[in-house]
Amino acid sequence: GEDVEQSLFLSVREGDSSVINCTYTDSSSTYLYWYKQEPGAGLQLLTYIFSNMDMKQDQRLTVLLNKKDKHLSLRIADTQTGDSAIYFCAAAPGGSYIPTFGRGTSLIVHP
Amino acid sequence: DTAVSQTPKYLVTQMGNDKSIKCEQNLGHDTMYWYKQDSKKFLKIMFSYNNKELIINETVPNRFSPKSPDKAHLNLHINSLELGDSAVYFCASSQGTSTGELFFGEGSRLTVL
Repeated sequence: GEDVEQSLFLSVREGDSSVINCTYTDSSSTYLYWYKQEPGAGLQLLTYIFSNMDMKQDQRLTVLLNKKDKHLSLRIADTQTGDSAIYFCAAAPGGSYIPTFGRGTSLIVHP
Repeated sequence: DTAVSQTPKYLVTQMGNDKSIKCEQNLGHDTMYWYKQDSKKFLKIMFSYNNKELIINETVPNRFSPKSPDKAHLNLHINSLELGDSAVYFCASSQGTSTGELFFGEGSRLTVL
């Protein structure tokens, strides 16, 4: 089955860029997702990328996909304290849309 | 207006008891899920229902029984609770099965003593 790995913590200063990295194991994964979980809330889909794309940009968010290395990253430009949350990487194995999640990266933004 | 709501948010109970967690969504979705987040933070799918029919049943002990009385509800009943069942259980919904955009509830933290 699919395994998704990501580092558990990232600490940045307000205004800097944050880069959260993720690796997955199933090369047939078609859709790759980033979800955000704020304290006391459920996970929310932030963005996703289809496996035939290398990059997707959405305002302050940039997703990069290296399909050969099965590596996904999420870059948040001009990180704000309100971006502090847990970010989950997820991959949907081929033929399915249902995401398999990583453990989440806690992003801490210092003023 | 909460889109996906779970009750209770917190549940503390003794080993051997039977407990239920309820989930309701008001998004008009036809697919619902239960995920388990263990102490190491892995979030794993347990069950999925589409139009009240079970479509995913991962390797989960048969002490766990999901029930979907209608498309808007997916409840999780757990018999003979064990210490290892302690976790956060998340309910989610989506519009159909051809999407990875899941809408999650806030989670229900189950502690088994």
